[in-house]
Amino acid sequence: GESVGLHLPTLSVQEGDNSIINCAYSNSASDYFIWYKQESGKGPQFIIDIRSNMDKRQGQRVTVLLNKTVKHLSLQIAATQPGDSAVYFCAEKLDNQGGKLIFGQGTELSVKP
Amino acid sequence: DTEVTQTPKHLVMGMTNKKSLKCEQHMGHRAMYWYKQKAKKPPELMFVYSYEKLSINESVPSRFSPECPNSSLLNLHLHALQPEDSALYLCASSRALVREQYFGPGTRLTVT
Repeated sequence: GESVGLHLPTLSVQEGDNSIINCAYSNSASDYFIWYKQESGKGPQFIIDIRSNMDKRQGQRVTVLLNKTVKHLSLQIAATQPGDSAVYFCAEKLDNQGGKLIFGQGTELSVKP
Repeated sequence: DTEVTQTPKHLVMGMTNKKSLKCEQHMGHRAMYWYKQKAKKPPELMFVYSYEKLSINESVPSRFSPECPNSSLLNLHLHALQPEDSALYLCASSRALVREQYFGPGTRLTVT
């Protein structure tokens, strides 16, 4: 389930199930989006990116979908594994903002074995 | 190789101390970044360097002073910090400003 407010939104899934992590971004002028995975005690790890001229991009076990009409980004993880447990951040880059990334609040994914 | 290294891993300093955080990458990236991250929060951008020149300062207090001695190194000099500056300080680099950023493991800073 999910919780809101002062706590990170959380998503709990069973090992082997597919996970979908959602992100609403703020600026219609954003032209580039990245998903990061951050495990406890580590820095964010690049997962996949997508430019605003695309609506879908696939990687290994991951797919990112972009809906510019409603400013929504999602990360789909196939066959979720315990090693996927982490906090996932989406980030958007505004056009003409010189490398500045704005991160979403993050979602904590917990995978039950 | 997508490795960004940061030293030290942990740092405890008093409010009157001067210390420096170091970041290094050997990927030939020409953009480097400092972020601050509090617990359970997303990273917040502090500084951006592009081709060794400061291009973005996100209104960071002057007690934080960045330095880019060459294209592989990025330092963050700390002086007269406050306890609320305690956080994880992350360095990142990218091939260019419009490309994906790769993060180091961070320095966990505690100001006493």
